Amino acid sequence: QKEVEQNSGPLSVPEGAIASLNCTYSDRGSQSFFWYRQYSGKSPELIMFIYSNGDKEDGRFTAQLNKASQYVSLLIRDSQPSDSATYLCAVSGTASKLTFGTGTRLQVTL
Amino acid sequence: DGGITQSPKYLFRKEGQNVTLSCEQNLNHDAMYWYRQDPGQGLRLIYYSQIVNDFQKGDIAEGYSVSREKKESFPLTVTSAQKNPTAFYLCASSIGLAYNEQFFGPGTRLTVL
Repeated sequence: QKEVEQNSGPLSVPEGAIASLNCTYSDRGSQSFFWYRQYSGKSPELIMFIYSNGDKEDGRFTAQLNKASQYVSLLIRDSQPSDSATYLCAVSGTASKLTFGTGTRLQVTL
Repeated sequence: DGGITQSPKYLFRKEGQNVTLSCEQNLNHDAMYWYRQDPGQGLRLIYYSQIVNDFQKGDIAEGYSVSREKKESFPLTVTSAQKNPTAFYLCASSIGLAYNEQFFGPGTRLTVL
């Protein structure tokens, strides 16, 4: 079982819609959760992090964490073509190192 | 202008050669990391360092070596012992190991000819 799992996609959403990206993790002791955006050929860019159960909002982005169910999600409201990228979920376990999922490719269509 | 720089952007190497990838940061971060990324795979940790003159192996350290002589610098050497070195190499830093918000440099794409 992979430690951090994401659907590879592509996830296709029309412009203006809400994109929902999901991630599950296996280590119940995980403390910190991160979402990175990676454009093709570029390095990952940190866009959200969440430490506590519940929702955290930042502009058009909302991160949701449910530790009991061991999943974390990222919602992107009013999706734009510039949001088309691969979104990496990363989880910090008890050793304080990050474990990355393989990413979900998001395509926002016109 | 604070940030992380990596050089070179592209690197070509013949089999059997060692190469060193540069990573410099001016964010005053204590912790630095090296990852490699292969197509269709997540980032895998090679080495990390919490403080100067100290570093630990990550999940895939075989065939790699690092040094941390200065807080700002964390070079990675890809040795000839690394069997499949062609990959995208990413350097990252964070305030400290307990603060996991890691910020990445632009990366070095290494190709072995």
